[in-house]
Amino acid sequence: DAGITQSPRHKVTETGTPVTLRCHQTENHRYMYWYRQDPGHGLRLIHYSYGVKDTDKGEVSDGYSVSRSKTEDFLLTLESATSSQTSVYFCAIRDPSQRTNYGYTFGSGTRLTVV
Amino acid sequence: AQSVTQPDIHITVSEGASLELRCNYSYGATPYLFWYVQSPGQGLQLLLKYFSGDTLVQGIKGFEAEFKRSQSSFNLRRPCVHWSDAAEYFCAVGLIKAAGNKLTFGGGTRVLVKP
Repeated sequence: DAGITQSPRHKVTETGTPVTLRCHQTENHRYMYWYRQDPGHGLRLIHYSYGVKDTDKGEVSDGYSVSRSKTEDFLLTLESATSSQTSVYFCAIRDPSQRTNYGYTFGSGTRLTVV
Repeated sequence: AQSVTQPDIHITVSEGASLELRCNYSYGATPYLFWYVQSPGQGLQLLLKYFSGDTLVQGIKGFEAEFKRSQSSFNLRRPCVHWSDAAEYFCAVGLIKAAGNKLTFGGGTRVLVKP
């Protein structure tokens, strides 16, 4: 999607290893989010950020940490990956201007498999 | 607790027929309402949104949705389904000016289109 890039797009990792997913934006938006998508659950919020070094937990934050040292980058880290963290991870940015859609712009997703 | 429910996990519809996807929410206040579509292997695209005003909202690709406050519903409609409408559809709600401006998603409805 324009203005937001996720990396890597696919990753396979072993149980117990740390994993970091990167979300990069070129829109200079204040708000950034990490969601995970699982069948039957839709998207669930893991963590979000409302500015550099300002982050907060979402509904499924256990086992995840985040960092935002620059406006453009929001990193999601799985401290010790487990099979239950196999999922598709989406990053999103939010434009607070009502002249646009007010809603989110999503990245293309990262498919993570923990074996 | 805040929640969004999409009662139908799967819907199969014939090409050219009409389609209605249901969405019900449980919130203490009037939320912002959104419908997103996800084609296979893709990210999420915003179809339409409701903030206030006219309760019948027009979106992209010929979709429309109607907000019914009395029923806490925001159902999506497509009068004439095309084969390219096969995708997964997500309803999402967000509280106005809530901390973090987070969205809560329903579990999704997968639409299959028969020729």
